[in-house]
Amino acid sequence: AQTVTQSQPEMSVQEAETVTLSCTYDTSESDYYLFWYKQPPSRQMILVIRQEAYKQQNATENRFSVNFQKAAKSFSLKISDSQLGDAAMYFCAYRSAQETSGSRLTFGEGTQLTVNP
Amino acid sequence: DAGVIQSPRHEVTEMGQEVTLRCKPISGHDYLFWYRQTMMRGLELLIYFNNNVPIDDSGMPEDRFSAKMPNASFSTLKIQPSEPRDSAVYFCASSPVRIRVKLFFGSGTQLSVL
Repeated sequence: AQTVTQSQPEMSVQEAETVTLSCTYDTSESDYYLFWYKQPPSRQMILVIRQEAYKQQNATENRFSVNFQKAAKSFSLKISDSQLGDAAMYFCAYRSAQETSGSRLTFGEGTQLTVNP
Repeated sequence: DAGVIQSPRHEVTEMGQEVTLRCKPISGHDYLFWYRQTMMRGLELLIYFNNNVPIDDSGMPEDRFSAKMPNASFSTLKIQPSEPRDSAVYFCASSPVRIRVKLFFGSGTQLSVL
């Protein structure tokens, strides 16, 4: 079974600064997908960024980028130019590429990000 | 599209009562998932359906939990009888088969069992 670990329960960053959230995972599969979801106080789960394991290039979405290290099974999220609206709980998630898994996600424990003005 | 719709948004009930949570997936989505979120266990997959058929219910914690999907536009998660440890946020999510990798989440139901 796959596991996802986020070792930072809480992180804080100054507005306009850069912060990196860590995530490691364990799997025996070679093909899979990794995600970062954001959950603000509204509870809505919002997809931030996605990475396909077969792609060597790190995904980027505006101010959000990832550092995907497949051999190390590491998948960190970098938020540049942090904004107050980035404050939320961030979840790292894993999804197998096996057809039989549908789209089921395995989530990490979450990292609560605070953005200080 | 209105997105995944869950009701109620909040539910407060007493121990022993039956609780029914409802979900309307996005039209055209073939997969539907029920997740539970707690402080202790984080986000856990309870069950998921493909074309209204339950595929994997290994995450359902006990026989007190049951889920149905009578048609493509409606699913329920029922807890009978409810217990205080069932207090959590329950999320429904759906996914189109064409874009398997992306889940669309509802806003969740906050359940409190007193």
